[in-house]
Amino acid sequence: QQQVKQSPQSLIVQKGGISIINCAYENTAFDYFPWYQQFPGKGPALLIAIRPDVSEKKEGRFTISFNKSAKQFSLHIMDSQPGDSATYFCAAFLIGGSEKLVFGKGTKLTVNP
Amino acid sequence: GAGVSQSPSNKVTEKGKDVELRCDPISGHTALYWYRQSLGQGLEFLIYFQGNSAPDKSGLPSDRFSAERTGGSVSTLTIQRTQQEDSAVYLCASSLRRASPQFFGPGTRLTVL
Repeated sequence: QQQVKQSPQSLIVQKGGISIINCAYENTAFDYFPWYQQFPGKGPALLIAIRPDVSEKKEGRFTISFNKSAKQFSLHIMDSQPGDSATYFCAAFLIGGSEKLVFGKGTKLTVNP
Repeated sequence: GAGVSQSPSNKVTEKGKDVELRCDPISGHTALYWYRQSLGQGLEFLIYFQGNSAPDKSGLPSDRFSAERTGGSVSTLTIQRTQQEDSAVYLCASSLRRASPQFFGPGTRLTVL
């Protein structure tokens, strides 16, 4: 059972454009939603995270939008740069539950110069 | 100080051999997690340690997999009688306490011939 569905699998944008990655979850008990960025040969690095009591969180060029009723959340990368080229994973977590992150399948982002 | 470290970075073994993978969490982090990353399955939870509590082993795929955490710090993931389907990147993560952000190590790439 895939509890977190992520799309698209791959994304190509031009430098300066907006990258948008979407995720949907099934378990309404999830209460923490982080995004991880992974470069080849490296472990995932925490990028930004949100709790369901807020609808948006912004950190620099990265914004999470959260829609609790639709059970969806998305990552927006503004002014995308070639250095943003990486694989991005959304995840969900149940605080006080099993303590494990449930990951989406990942989105490979390529930002062309 | 330093982030999560893992060793070895790469391990090539023959089918049927046993392997041990090591994780050094961030100093002071009480929670430690093992995940597996493979092309077909994405990032999968394996096992979780929190302080002196019994570990959550619910993600271990078979009884060939085991893990221990000595002294509340270093952890070793052991795979006995390795199979080709065990080939993957094994990632370790740690967090300061329960329900706090997880920080990943660079992973160990395991190849079973």
